[in-house]
Amino acid sequence: GESVGLHLPTLSVQEGDNSIINCAYSNSASDYFIWYKQESGKGPQFIIDIRSNMDKRQGQRVTVLLNKTVKHLSLQIAATQPGDSAVYFCAERVSGDKIIFGKGTRLHILP
Amino acid sequence: ETGVTQTPRHLVMGMTNKKSLKCEQHLGHNAMYWYKQSAKKPLELMFVYNFKEQTENNSVPSRFSPECPNSSHLFLHLHTLQPEDSALYLCASSQGRGEKLFFGSGTQLSVL
Repeated sequence: GESVGLHLPTLSVQEGDNSIINCAYSNSASDYFIWYKQESGKGPQFIIDIRSNMDKRQGQRVTVLLNKTVKHLSLQIAATQPGDSAVYFCAERVSGDKIIFGKGTRLHILP
Repeated sequence: ETGVTQTPRHLVMGMTNKKSLKCEQHLGHNAMYWYKQSAKKPLELMFVYNFKEQTENNSVPSRFSPECPNSSHLFLHLHTLQPEDSALYLCASSQGRGEKLFFGSGTQLSVL
């Protein structure tokens, strides 16, 4: 039969607006979480991380929020720019060496 | 540049060929990883090495054989692959185990 590619959720945001990308993680024992950005033809690039003893962390134009109660992670990008267009992945450390990735969200910037 | 270099960038091979992917990191990190990224699944962890010792094998078929001669170099030896093995193979490194990963640009592999 016909093979089907992985369907990525897409978020379309007006340039200059804030973007919020959400992620549900799988393991309640995960203690470390990372957001990555992947542009076409490149490997994933680190954006920001957060440990499980925190619920919020801010970087330059980005904020990560962690809600352990509902196993939810979000990435907020302020004043979204055309260069923010990419696929965004959340990742969780489920054990000492093992970091697993979510499916990803494609961020599309509208002019 | 992330400090992690992968070669080749593209590879086409037949099912009976033997080839190797190479990864080198210039970051002084101690842990190195292979991930597979295909169109059908999220990034899949394949192998982890920490100080040259394999610490994770995520149920990867034996037609994929990793080698880590030192903390800066990682290889993935390929033989008798299947068309479904076609994917982007990503190498990453981290300072410590399970810490922030730095990825290379990947090798896009096509198995005919």
